[in-house]
Amino acid sequence: NAGVTQTPKFQVLKTGQSMTLQCAQDMNHNSMYWYRQDPGMGLRLIYYSASEGTTDKGEVPNGYNVSRLNKREFSLRLESAAPSQTSVYFCASSESYRSYEQYFGPGTRLTVT
Amino acid sequence: AQSVTQLDSHVSVSEGTPVLLRCNYSSSYSPSLFWYVQHPNKGLQLLLKYTSAATLVKGINGFEAEFKKSETSFHLTKPSAHMSDAAEYFCVVSPNYGGSQGNLIFGKGTKLSVKP
Repeated sequence: NAGVTQTPKFQVLKTGQSMTLQCAQDMNHNSMYWYRQDPGMGLRLIYYSASEGTTDKGEVPNGYNVSRLNKREFSLRLESAAPSQTSVYFCASSESYRSYEQYFGPGTRLTVT
Repeated sequence: AQSVTQLDSHVSVSEGTPVLLRCNYSSSYSPSLFWYVQHPNKGLQLLLKYTSAATLVKGINGFEAEFKKSETSFHLTKPSAHMSDAAEYFCVVSPNYGGSQGNLIFGKGTKLSVKP
């Protein structure tokens, strides 16, 4: 039982490049989330998927897109990376959008130069 | 609107002494409150949660927190710090209305250092 897994662990991009961050959970959870963590800012919600087939914007969605590929997988895409997107990205899942406990992956450290 | 304020960005204690990490919240509705811990280069782990049951909540690793509605506070305490407690701690609020429970709002974090 791996919980929430994220790939890659580290990535360096040049400004304007694109990439997709992958997230998968094996807990049969319905809801999944993408956060970014910046120093002194806590975590901020980028997008979430309350259930398979739905996605919604969070607090900071600009510059990102998401895909809920199936119940297990939720990907985050940066179409044209900018230095302001340098951050640590966390994926999380929960049993439902109404359940309070979210389980977090280990994070992806992204640097955009 | 909901918000959470962690009053200290950094707390330093000696091993074996008490820990107090302070958190105040603002919520238009009766909130659910959480503390998460993040060890260096790791993901976040739920430490404890308050969801309108007992106001004194016990969590993992000897931590506890008390919900005080009159003071809008949810401070995290531990009687005796251990070296392994060194980490960053996040106070989190979840609004309890309109299906927004999943929209967690994180404080900016308190980094706990433990000196030998």
